[in-house]
Amino acid sequence: QKEVEQNSGPLSVPEGAIASLNCTYSDRGSQSFFWYRQYSGKSPELIMFIYSNGDKEDGRFTAQLNKASQYVSLLIRDSQPSDSATYLCAVKRGSGGSNYKLTFGKGTLLTVNP
Amino acid sequence: GAVVSQHPSWVICKSGTSVKIECRSLDFQATTMFWYRQFPKQSLMLMATSNEGSKATYEQGVEKDKFLINHASLTLSTLTVTSAHPEDSSFYICSARVGQGSQPQHFGDGTRLSIL
Repeated sequence: QKEVEQNSGPLSVPEGAIASLNCTYSDRGSQSFFWYRQYSGKSPELIMFIYSNGDKEDGRFTAQLNKASQYVSLLIRDSQPSDSATYLCAVKRGSGGSNYKLTFGKGTLLTVNP
Repeated sequence: GAVVSQHPSWVICKSGTSVKIECRSLDFQATTMFWYRQFPKQSLMLMATSNEGSKATYEQGVEKDKFLINHASLTLSTLTVTSAHPEDSSFYICSARVGQGSQPQHFGDGTRLSIL
């Protein structure tokens, strides 16, 4: 079982719609969860991070975490063509020992059509 | 804030050449920096963790003699790919973390390495 799983997509949504990106993880000890956006040929850019169960909103982005289901998602409201990118989910176990390491999913390619 | 600068952006060189990549934290001190490698359509794979003033910690399967890491100051870590071969061609990305604990990592712009 892969540690962090994401649907590779492509996920295609029309401009203005809500894009929903999902991620599941296998390690129940995971404590920190991150969403990065990566444009083609570029390095990842941090979108949001979440530590507690529930929702966290930042502008058009909402991260949702459900530790019981080992599930984290990212919602993008009012999707724009500039949101078209690969979205990487990353998980961290903690901070002590080797727990600082981030484990990345393979990413979901999002395409927002004008 | 939390800007990570990586240099060079692109490197094209002949097989057998050694290549050095620099990673700098511009507006914060980073006791820990991370080096990743990403092949096309694959996710980021952690190669090693660079600790200021001590030896780097390499992930399983990463040759420490081939990928030399030096973290001589709180703002600079370097990765040297020694005697590079075509199979080393990849996108190398460094990251640094502000502070400790659960703070997120911020990534440099990456270095695209092509070995002919």
